[in-house]
Formats: sequence, C-alpha cells, structure tokens
Amino acid sequence: SQKIEQNSEALNIQEGKTATLTCNYTNYSPAYLQWYRQDPGRGPVFLLLIRENEKEKRKERLKVTFDTTLKQSLFHITASQPADSATYLCALDPGDKIIFGKGTRLHILP
Amino acid sequence: GAVVSQHPSRVICKSGTSVKIECRSLDFQATTMFWYRQFPKQSLMLMATSNEGSKATYEQGVEKDKFLINHASLTLSTLTVTSAHPEDSSFYICSARDIDRSTTNYGYTFGSGTRLTVV
Repeated sequence: SQKIEQNSEALNIQEGKTATLTCNYTNYSPAYLQWYRQDPGRGPVFLLLIRENEKEKRKERLKVTFDTTLKQSLFHITASQPADSATYLCALDPGDKIIFGKGTRLHILP
Repeated sequence: GAVVSQHPSRVICKSGTSVKIECRSLDFQATTMFWYRQFPKQSLMLMATSNEGSKATYEQGVEKDKFLINHASLTLSTLTVTSAHPEDSSFYICSARDIDRSTTNYGYTFGSGTRLTVV
C-alpha cells in the first residue's frame, strides 16, 4: 500500500534561518503532491501543490521541490519567523482522496 | 476562496449518546466530501469518502455502523458518532472537494475540525 513518511517528527530552527522539511513516499507514482500547514486545534490549510512534471514551486518565502526518481519532496521556509511555527503535512492523492504523512512539528526559535 | 464550515467546533457528550457533526461547503458545490480523525500528535487518518446521494465508502477498520455518514446535498455532509465511548474522543476533520477541479489545490478544502470529548 502507499506510504508517506515525514522523517522528522519535530524540528527546531533559529529565527531567520531556512527550515527544510522532507517527505518521502513509496509504492506510488503521484501526479501531484501537496503541502499543508496545521495549527493546534485547527484543520489543515493548503500551502502549495507541485505536479510531477514540475521540479520546483515557489510562493513568497516557501519553496517546494519534487524528485519523482527519489520519490521525495522537500519543503523550505526561508527567513523563518516564530509565526511559522506549526505542523507541516505532506499529502498525496492515491486516487480521488487525500492521504497525509504524520507531519513535522516545526518550532522557530526567537 | 473556498470555505468549508464545520460545526460544532467542540462538543462534550456522555458515553452512550450520539453526536452529529456537520460539514458545509459555503461557496462551492462538493460532490465528494471526506471525513478524517486525528489523535494527539498523530496525522489525519481518512475514515470515509462520501459522495452526494450515495453510500459512503469506509476505509479499512472503520465501523460503518458506528460512524454514520450522510451526504444529502452538494453542500452538506454529516458524520454521526453513534453510542459514543471515551475511545471515540478525537479531533474530527472534514474536507470537501469542489466539482471544479481546476483550482490551485485540485479542489480540496478542509474544515476547521471538531473536538469530540466523550465522558
């Protein structure tokens, strides 16, 4: 069955530095991959989507890469701020639904 | 942008009673809605997929008689937790998928979640 792994459960980054989160998947060839942000007690909020034919996608301080050979996506937040502290979820569509990785809890330290 | 309203945001109920959670797409039509549950520090686990006017499809291990899903219109789906027990306490999140799949995220929008506590 399809598997999504976000190998860092938690990540502490100093304010101003770049945070890099990893998402790996197996048994699957997705047409696209999504990243979401989730704050405590809230539903996930969509951030970025990258398609299989795209290597990189940017949105303000966010950048996502997608390597279909490595079966991996990297999510970067540049010039990180304490307000970026949240859980970030990687998500795939294995066929008309969305399944999520476990998420990475990111803490930006002031 | 697309908005999904989920109600209530928090509910406390007694063991043995039933609780209904509503999920509404406010400014778009959703032929398909999804229900997830999330335990503390865990990921969202898909429980079921519901299509308007037909029976829901449940993921393996999810009791369909325990978690009743109704998707009676293109803007409303409900999840009823029947005969609730303390182990049903969790964070339940719905998602609605726009009929129009051409949006940035392929039409998926999530509700803000319902914290269910069974005492």
